[in-house]
Amino acid sequence: GESVGLHLPTLSVQEGDNSIINCAYSNSASDYFIWYKQESGKGPQFIIDIRSNMDKRQGQRVTVLLNKTVKHLSLQIAATQPGDSAVYFCAENSDSNYQLIWGAGTKLIIKP
Amino acid sequence: EPEVTQTPSHQVTQMGQEVILRCVPISNHLYFYWYRQILGQKVEFLVSFYNNEISEKSEIFDDQFSVERPDGSNFTLKIRSTKLEDSAMYFCASSADNYNEQFFGPGTRLTVL
Repeated sequence: GESVGLHLPTLSVQEGDNSIINCAYSNSASDYFIWYKQESGKGPQFIIDIRSNMDKRQGQRVTVLLNKTVKHLSLQIAATQPGDSAVYFCAENSDSNYQLIWGAGTKLIIKP
Repeated sequence: EPEVTQTPSHQVTQMGQEVILRCVPISNHLYFYWYRQILGQKVEFLVSFYNNEISEKSEIFDDQFSVERPDGSNFTLKIRSTKLEDSAMYFCASSADNYNEQFFGPGTRLTVL
C-alpha cells in the first residue's frame, strides 16, 4: 500500500555540522510533502514543505530536496544547534485526499 | 501567533469508559483533523472534517470513534468505549485548506487502564 518511510531511525551529528535526513515515499501520486519536527512531549511542528513542481526549497537553515524520479525526499539542516535535537517526520499527501501519510521518524541527536 | 489548543493534556480512564478529547483549531481554518501517535511510533491519521462532515477517515476510525464540531470553535473526538490499545497521544490539527500546512496542537495523552 501507500507508505512513506525513513532510511535511518537515529542520526547523531556534531553541533555545528550539517545534517541530512532522508525519506522515501512510494505513492507516485503524492504532490505535496512536509517535514515536521517533534520535540519530546510536544506536537509536530511544521518546518518546511515542498510541492511536486519543485525540486528544492530553502528556509532558514533548512533545505528540502525532492527527487521524484526515485521518490526521495531529504531535509538538510545547516549548522545544527542543540535545539535541533528532535524526531523529524516526513509526510505527504495529494490533492485527492485530506490525510497526511507519515513516515516512521528519524531521531536527530546533536552532540556537543 | 494563532495556535491549535487541546484539552486536557492528559486523560486517564478505565477500559470501557467514554472519553471526549477537545480541540480549538485556529479560528479561520476550515479543515480539521485528528491523528494519534502510540508511544515511540509514527503519527497515524484518524479522520478529517470539513463543512460539518467527515471528509476522510482511516481504518483506525471505527464505530467507537466520532467527531463533532458542536459550536464555532471546538472540535471534539469521542471514543465511546475505550480499549487498552487506545492509549496514545492524540493530536488535533487544522489547516486553511486541504492542500496546505496542517498546524498541530500539543496533544492529549490518553491512558486507558
